[in-house]
Amino acid sequence: EVQLVESGGGLVQPGGSLRLSCAASGFTFSSYEMNWVRQAPGKGLEWVSYISSSGSTIYYADSVKGRFTISRDNAKNSLYLQMNSLRAEDTAVYYCARAPDGYIAYWGQGTLVTVSS
Amino acid sequence: AIQLTQSPSSLSASVGDRVTITCRASQGISSALAWYQQKPGKAPKLLIYDASSLESGVPSRFSGSGSGTDFTLTISSLQPEDFATYYCQQFNSYPHAITFGQGTRLEIK
Repeated sequence: EVQLVESGGGLVQPGGSLRLSCAASGFTFSSYEMNWVRQAPGKGLEWVSYISSSGSTIYYADSVKGRFTISRDNAKNSLYLQMNSLRAEDTAVYYCARAPDGYIAYWGQGTLVTVSS
Repeated sequence: AIQLTQSPSSLSASVGDRVTITCRASQGISSALAWYQQKPGKAPKLLIYDASSLESGVPSRFSGSGSGTDFTLTISSLQPEDFATYYCQQFNSYPHAITFGQGTRLEIK
C-alpha cells in the first residue's frame, strides 16, 4: 500500500524557516517524480514544487521561487521542502503528492504550517 | 500560465439528482485534465484523469468528458457521501506547473 506521511509543520514567525519531510513507503520511491501541493485554510489547492525521480530536475511555483527548496533522499525514501523567508500567505496545509503523469493519484495526509507572530 | 475556471462555485442538490460541474481552461490543454473530490479535513481523492478515465475504485456514477478548453464532471445520481468540494486540475504543462480550478462546493439541498 502506498503511504506518504508528512511531518515538520508548526507555528513559525514571519521571516522564519521550516523544513517539511515526507516519508514514503509501499512503492519504489526512487522511480517516481514527487510534488508538494498546499492549501490555505478555507481556500483551494495550489501546486508548490516538483522534483524528478533522480532529483536532477526541479520546478517551483512563482509564489515560492527563491524561498523554498525541494529535495529528496532516495536512500531514505524521503522528500523534503525547505521553506525560508516565510510569509503569512504561506500558511497552509502542505501535502506530499505522487504525480508521475501529472495527475495526483496519491496524497499524504498533510502537515499544517502556520506563519504568524 | 494556464488558468482553470470552474462553475458553479457552489451548488445545492438532492440525493438522486444528476449534477454537472464544468471547468474551462484559458487555453487548450488537450485531455490533460483531472478531477478530485475533497471532504473537510481530508486530502483530495482522484476521481477522473485524462479528462474521462475513471480512477480504479471510483463508483461508475462519476464520469468526465471534454477536451481542449471545456470539460465536465457528471455525477449521475447523487449519493449522501458525494457531498464535498470538487476540483479540476490541468497537467498539460507538467512538470513545469500544474494548476487547479477554484473548486465547486456541492451541498445538500
